[in-house]
Amino acid sequence: QVQLVQSGAEVKKPGASVKVSCKASGYTFTSYYMHWVRQAPGQGLEWMGIINPSGGSTSYAQKLQGRVTMTRDTSTSTVYMELSSLRSEDTAVYYCARDQGGSPHYWGQGTLVTVSS
Amino acid sequence: DIQMTQSPSSLSASVGDRVTITCRASQGIRNDLGWYQQKPGKAPKRLIYAASSLQSGVPSRFSGSGSGTEFTLTISSLQPEDFATYYCLQHNSYPFTFGPGTKVDIK
Repeated sequence: QVQLVQSGAEVKKPGASVKVSCKASGYTFTSYYMHWVRQAPGQGLEWMGIINPSGGSTSYAQKLQGRVTMTRDTSTSTVYMELSSLRSEDTAVYYCARDQGGSPHYWGQGTLVTVSS
Repeated sequence: DIQMTQSPSSLSASVGDRVTITCRASQGIRNDLGWYQQKPGKAPKRLIYAASSLQSGVPSRFSGSGSGTEFTLTISSLQPEDFATYYCLQHNSYPFTFGPGTKVDIK
């Protein structure tokens, strides 16, 4: 069965960077794109971007361009999302979600990132 | 970017009610739309893909329709476990965009 296991909660200071991992199992890692979605406390869902684990190509939300980097390690079936220059508005639960038929279907458990001085 | 709007933003309904949520896209997206249900503290769950296809394992009381710029999610007979927030997502072009959500609570 498809499983996505994310790294644990993080607390970061403003201006720092955070790197969240998402380890996939139960399917061929390079066959499905992976999305990243975040949700600030009490707010809606925000699509952050997508990575093709096969070739590593990415597409990011415009508002995050320049601050977000998505990468993958095919040897460990893991995708990573790094967000830099953190500010308080980046406090959120971050989800990885595997694509199925063009949209996110299988979701990780979420990783809470708190940005606080 | 394609903007997604949803209406209503919230609604109160009773068990057994028929509920309809509307999602509109700022430009045509064919049928590249999904509907998601999210309960507090949980990851979203996809209910509908390709605008009208029911995700395997999802009860048949959920249905989706629409194409182009206007879409609807209908719950034919609301059950206690359906009280949640519902989001649409367009995946026609990057960046993908979610609607702002519709919270369904108990009347």
